[in-house]
Amino acid sequence: DAGVTQSPTHLIKTRGQQVTLRCSPKSGHDTVSWYQQALGQGPQFIFQYYEEEERQRGNFPDRFSGHQFPNYSSELNVNALLLGDSALYLCASSLITATYEQYFGPGTRLTVT
Amino acid sequence: GQQLNQSPQSMFIQEGEDVSMNCTSSSIFNTWLWYKQEPGEGPVLLIALYKAGELTSNGRLTAQFGITRKDSFLNISASIPSDVGIYFCAGQDAGGTSYGKLTFGQGTILTVHP
Repeated sequence: DAGVTQSPTHLIKTRGQQVTLRCSPKSGHDTVSWYQQALGQGPQFIFQYYEEEERQRGNFPDRFSGHQFPNYSSELNVNALLLGDSALYLCASSLITATYEQYFGPGTRLTVT
Repeated sequence: GQQLNQSPQSMFIQEGEDVSMNCTSSSIFNTWLWYKQEPGEGPVLLIALYKAGELTSNGRLTAQFGITRKDSFLNISASIPSDVGIYFCAGQDAGGTSYGKLTFGQGTILTVHP
């Protein structure tokens, strides 16, 4: 049973560029949440997708956007990258009936120079 | 907004010792979870707690959901070297606009000396 997968593993971008991160949820899960984890901190909620719609959003600017596809996979897009966007981006999947149990992928390490 | 205070920030213990860490919140949660994160990996769910006062075990791990619904603790008994990692508490408010969102503590870094 495949768990949550994310790609790419690592990414280096320049300030001002745009980036797209990808996530495939655990088999059977229909809900995807994205988190940003700065070094030495706990994950911070960005947003959650269900039925291809953003259903909840954390305190992140509009530069952060997402998408969910019919197969439940998801993308996180960040525009106009800032140095402060450097972090580990985590995807978590769950069932909509049990969003309290979220299972995380290994993350994408984004470095903005 | 909701904040979780997790303590201690770090622990250095000898193999075989018991470990205790806790988490307090400024507001009520309906669900408490404990995760472990190792270098280069995402957090792994260890224990989920759904009811105030609930005490749940998973092998050498025991966690409790505080009666006030504003705190939780995690105990690890007879620690072993593979317990090394960062332990996070997380809470979820099932109502209102916070539905689905997990709020995390700052983490407890556990080091176990053989």
